[in-house]
Amino acid sequence: AQTVTQSQPEMSVQEAETVTLSCTYDTSESDYYLFWYKQPPSRQMILVIRQEAYKQQNATENRFSVNFQKAAKSFSLKISDSQLGDAAMYFCAYRSPGTYKYIFGTGTRLKVLA
Amino acid sequence: GAGVSQTPSNKVTEKGKYVELRCDPISGHTALYWYRQSLGQGPEFLIYFQGTGAADDSGLPNDRFFAVRPEGSVSTLKIQRTERGDSAVYLCASSLSSTGRPNEQFFGPGTRLTVL
Repeated sequence: AQTVTQSQPEMSVQEAETVTLSCTYDTSESDYYLFWYKQPPSRQMILVIRQEAYKQQNATENRFSVNFQKAAKSFSLKISDSQLGDAAMYFCAYRSPGTYKYIFGTGTRLKVLA
Repeated sequence: GAGVSQTPSNKVTEKGKYVELRCDPISGHTALYWYRQSLGQGPEFLIYFQGTGAADDSGLPNDRFFAVRPEGSVSTLKIQRTERGDSAVYLCASSLSSTGRPNEQFFGPGTRLTVL
């Protein structure tokens, strides 16, 4: 069975600085999808960025980018120019192409310091 | 348009009671998911609907949990004989069809269930 591990329960970053959140996963599949979700205190989860395993190029969305290392089964999220509004829980998630089930990690709480 | 809505936002019940949690997905979204999020954890998959049918209910923890989506829009998660361990935030998400390449899931704000 696939698993997703987020080893950093909490991270802090100074406003305008860069922070990287870690995620590792375990799978025997060669094709899959990876996601980062943001959950602010309002509880409403928002998709931040996604990566398809067959694509070698790392996904980017404005200030958010990923470092996808398929061989190492690592999928980290880099947030550049951190803003106060980035403060939230961040969840890494995995999905197999043949199923509908998303597997989430335990999350990393990001604090942004003014 | 409106996003995914869930009612009630909070529900307090007593052990052994029956509860229903409602999810209104985004209009036109055929795929609908239910998740359970316990304190300090990530969302845990419960069930997935494609249209009216449950395409994958492998995440439902036991037969006390049941979900329906009779007209392919609104869904109700039903929990019988609630236990204190059922206390959690129940999240609903919807998307365009989820077969093949996954479309973006849009989440609701969740229902916080507390079983006393």
